[in-house]
Amino acid sequence: GAGVSQSPSNKVTEKGKDVELRCDPISGHTALYWYRQSLGQGLEFLIYFQGNSAPDKSGLPSDRFSAERTGGSVSTLTIQRTQQEDSAVYLCASSLVLSGAGRGYTFGSGTRLTVV
Amino acid sequence: AQSVTQPDIHITVSEGASLELRCNYSYGATPYLFWYVQSPGQGLQLLLKYFSGDTLVQGIKGFEAEFKRSQSSFNLRKPSVHWSDAAEYFCAVGAASGTYKYIFGTGTRLKVLA
Repeated sequence: GAGVSQSPSNKVTEKGKDVELRCDPISGHTALYWYRQSLGQGLEFLIYFQGNSAPDKSGLPSDRFSAERTGGSVSTLTIQRTQQEDSAVYLCASSLVLSGAGRGYTFGSGTRLTVV
Repeated sequence: AQSVTQPDIHITVSEGASLELRCNYSYGATPYLFWYVQSPGQGLQLLLKYFSGDTLVQGIKGFEAEFKRSQSSFNLRKPSVHWSDAAEYFCAVGAASGTYKYIFGTGTRLKVLA
């Protein structure tokens, strides 16, 4: 697609429920990133996928968080047993593999998650 | 430790006035530096980036930034602010090689008075 697409744009869920957030990167971008933006905070790195390599999961805050990327394209971030502190905007970004940090990411519009 | 500091949480300027948003970084490797802008309800849009060479870089929407290695700063400037520039601005740093992760500042929210 022309840009990075994320769905849903907003999600309200009850504490303890599981949620799935979807990211569809720019066609041809093999690198995909998830970041979390909490109120008053900067962006927090969560996970990085690059091609068929093992993902870098070092930013996932707990084992309730997981992500997968199917077919080198669409990615799903899953949060199990959601807690109120999970409320944030979850941003997905993609980039060309060779540029990595160099050229800058293209971000999606994010999913605003509210846990009540 | 690697970090990015944006000391101003909020800035208010009048339309037509000049703007400078501050960014200081601490990074062990040769840095790539970026400024992003986030309008309400939107994702982050890249304004400009610095890799090497000329320390004054031009970006979109009339923004520029100057890299000062001695001060570990990468301040964003615009000579004349427009009402549409009201948004949140993020400074970020990444490695010139190796890691692909960015470190983001906490952002500066810009308000523009008519």
